[in-house]
Amino acid sequence: DGGITQSPKYLFRKEGQNVTLSCEQNLNHDAMYWYRQDPGQGLRLIYYSQIVNDFQKGDIAEGYSVSREKKESFPLTVTSAQKNPTAFYLCASSLISNQPQHFGDGTRLSIL
Amino acid sequence: AQKITQTQPGMFVQEKEAVTLDCTYDTSDQSYGLFWYKQPSSGEMIFLIYQGSYDEQNATEGRYSLNFQKARKSANLVISASQLGDSAMYFCAMREGFIKAAGNKLTFGGGTRVLVKP
Repeated sequence: DGGITQSPKYLFRKEGQNVTLSCEQNLNHDAMYWYRQDPGQGLRLIYYSQIVNDFQKGDIAEGYSVSREKKESFPLTVTSAQKNPTAFYLCASSLISNQPQHFGDGTRLSIL
Repeated sequence: AQKITQTQPGMFVQEKEAVTLDCTYDTSDQSYGLFWYKQPSSGEMIFLIYQGSYDEQNATEGRYSLNFQKARKSANLVISASQLGDSAMYFCAMREGFIKAAGNKLTFGGGTRVLVKP
């Protein structure tokens, strides 16, 4: 079935460590997005990409990095510069149109 | 200023009754789109309904309808005949500008938690 796969479901990070969250889609969507959700709050955009080898910063990009080497994949790296990384991270994809974004099941990141 | 405002942090609704979730938005763009998503406790985001700024009729999808009042910049979600499975967080979101220029990125409101009572 077509969809978006995020892995891992749970991730723990030590202080000073970089970690990478995986996001893969087989929907043939051009655009992909990363959002952060803190408890009881809405989603905030970290990075987005409309085409391979191109991406733009969202509202809270500091401390994060991304790459888009393949259409299907948009990994997010949470760097040691992100001082408060504990959150729920959601990846999404869409066509460049009015069509809605489709979301993965999310990754919960915690600090050890 | 907040681009998307959801003023109801939480609501109780009796099973089989209708519930209205408020959403107001702020944009200077003429072209924009409004989306509603449902987030159950498991965390996934489920798309419910979409309204384009140029759509003259209110959107409907099954038990979901969107009360779009453009002059008031409001896009309230109405859920009819509530079911226990409707208990979740509900988020209003907006895409601003022409898609080819701005892409399809969304700004989300803070959400409303709905609890359906049997």
